[in-house]
Amino acid sequence: DTAVSQTPKYLVTQMGNDKSIKCEQNLGHDTMYWYKQDSKKFLKIMFSYNNKELIINETVPNRFSPKSPDKAHLNLHINSLELGDSAVYFCASRGLVNSPLHFGNGTRLTVT
Amino acid sequence: AQKITQTQPGMFVQEKEAVTLDCTYDTSDPSYGLFWYKQPSSGEMIFLIYQGSYDQQNATEGRYSLNFQKARKSANLVISASQLGDSAMYFCAMRESFTSGTYKYIFGTGTRLKVLA
Repeated sequence: DTAVSQTPKYLVTQMGNDKSIKCEQNLGHDTMYWYKQDSKKFLKIMFSYNNKELIINETVPNRFSPKSPDKAHLNLHINSLELGDSAVYFCASRGLVNSPLHFGNGTRLTVT
Repeated sequence: AQKITQTQPGMFVQEKEAVTLDCTYDTSDPSYGLFWYKQPSSGEMIFLIYQGSYDQQNATEGRYSLNFQKARKSANLVISASQLGDSAMYFCAMRESFTSGTYKYIFGTGTRLKVLA
């Protein structure tokens, strides 16, 4: 059973398009995150939700809009895609305070 | 300012030898956690080991141990008896309080480890 699953695994699209990435966790965690990993492998936090409520928004452009319909799901919608959005996007969830982040397998987004 | 610093962009180690990956951190939060993750070429993020700021003993998990020196703000990962499968990118991360009851996990820039046969 996959604990944190993201779809799609790969996403290739053209500049200006709108796309979504879905994330689901079956760990019963209350807190979920989106991270962006750039071409240099740097992992940067984008958003965090706790029980469907946005708690962290790290100065991400307005074109990125997370949505959490319930605490097991955290989706990421990106409008008007730009070349610089090309990256691997990771969803993660967390249980107790001392727990590690549990990551999905990532979505590789390529904008052409 | 960088909160998590990994100064070794790349490291080589001979198979069966031990290797230390460096990590220093900066925080004013008295309660924090330190984590190490492995990212193989397949891309997934694998949790390796955790050290809490109040833990008195260094964490160990199988061949992984964490050399925690609180006063020096360092949390180095030691991998003993390296295996070819240990070749990967390794990330140090810190959990610190963001607001009351919420936490950020901040990652270092990573160290790419190559194990030589």
